[in-house]
Amino acid sequence: EDKVVQSPLSLVVHEGDTVTLNCSYEVTNFRSLLWYKQEKKAPTFLFMLTSSGIEKKSGRLSSILDKKELFSILNITATQTGDSAVYLCAAIIQGAQKLVFGQGTRLTINP
Amino acid sequence: NAGVTQTPKFQVLKTGQSMTLQCAQDMNHNSMYWYRQDPGMGLRLIYYSASEGTTDKGEVPNGYNVSRLNKREFSLRLESAAPSQTSVYFCASSAGATMRGNTIYFGEGSWLTVV
Repeated sequence: EDKVVQSPLSLVVHEGDTVTLNCSYEVTNFRSLLWYKQEKKAPTFLFMLTSSGIEKKSGRLSSILDKKELFSILNITATQTGDSAVYLCAAIIQGAQKLVFGQGTRLTINP
Repeated sequence: NAGVTQTPKFQVLKTGQSMTLQCAQDMNHNSMYWYRQDPGMGLRLIYYSASEGTTDKGEVPNGYNVSRLNKREFSLRLESAAPSQTSVYFCASSAGATMRGNTIYFGEGSWLTVV
């Protein structure tokens, strides 16, 4: 059974801290891994990672994939209250028309 | 641009009632999906349609039926609602086989409560 597991499930930090969110996966025919940010409504796309060891960056957010150890991390530096959200990772299965999501990490940034 | 539109946004049902969630996309996408999201569970795939005229079960199809009415529309039906189907439902669409992350579009969600 295809499985994506995120940790921690919940995280509370102070503004300005750096956080690392984890995502491990066990899927057949892995193609790519996606990270999404979800505030009150629909998930919004952050990153897609297909190759191992290549960091993707967008402002204070960065992410990397390790296809040997089957995990990805999402880093957020100098956190702001606007970073408070649920962060989801999802695996794309090669040849299939679907994503398998993890449970999500609820990140709360306190001022 | 409308993107993915789903209706209704909120609905309260009594146990045993039936209802249909409607979803439409205006991006000429081949693939459409229905997910449900429960606290601590992430998004779980209910059904998907890789192309017009085809539908397939996802992880949690029991209690649901779907119809891909045409290329634009993909509806989700609860024939006899149960409290366990209380959830937030998301419709999504994508261009097709490549499934590039930034071409997967989600609707805004439908909050369904079954009492």
